[in-house]
Amino acid sequence: QVQLQESGPGLVKPSETLSLTCAVSGYSISSGYYWGWIRQPPGKGLEWIGSIYHGGSTYYNPSLKSRVTISVDTSKNQFSQKLSSVTAADTAVYYCARLNVVGWYFDLWGRGTLVTVSS
Amino acid sequence: EIVMTQSPATLSVSPGERATLSCRASQSVSSNLAWYQQKPGQAPRLLIYGASTRATGIPARFSGSGSGTEFTLTISSLQSEDFAVYYCQQYNSWPPALTFGGGTKVEIK
Repeated sequence: QVQLQESGPGLVKPSETLSLTCAVSGYSISSGYYWGWIRQPPGKGLEWIGSIYHGGSTYYNPSLKSRVTISVDTSKNQFSQKLSSVTAADTAVYYCARLNVVGWYFDLWGRGTLVTVSS
Repeated sequence: EIVMTQSPATLSVSPGERATLSCRASQSVSSNLAWYQQKPGQAPRLLIYGASTRATGIPARFSGSGSGTEFTLTISSLQSEDFAVYYCQQYNSWPPALTFGGGTKVEIK
């Protein structure tokens, strides 16, 4: 059974960099699939952050592209995201998810992790 | 960017009744449209992809229709576990610029 688990600091200071990791179990990232990050501010809707393939190909939300980097570590079977220069507007639940091979929809999600940006 | 607009924002329905949720795209997304269900404190769950194909394990009371810019999610007979927020997502643009609708909350009437 494939599972995804997000991890990282729950509190980040303004102007600093938010770093999260998604550990994948039950499936080898090297075998395929695109993987992605999505976030959801409290009480609001969903926003795609970006996606990565095991070979390293990345695609980002144009509105976040200047601040986000997604990387993959196949040896640890995980992928990560870094979001720089954070503000309170970046406070959200961050989800990692798997993109289906047929189309770019998310067929498997992690449980999410809340990151609060505050001094 | 393709903007996805969902209506209504909130839908009040009695158990056993039919619920019809709408999703409109600012430009054609063909049939590259997915629907998700999200319950409080949980991650979204994939319901429908390709505008009308149910994901694995999704009950037959959930159905999707539409193409181009107008889409509908129908829940034929609402069960207690169906009260949740529903999101649509387009995946037509390339390079990918995935966008979600703002969501429709289905609440008990």
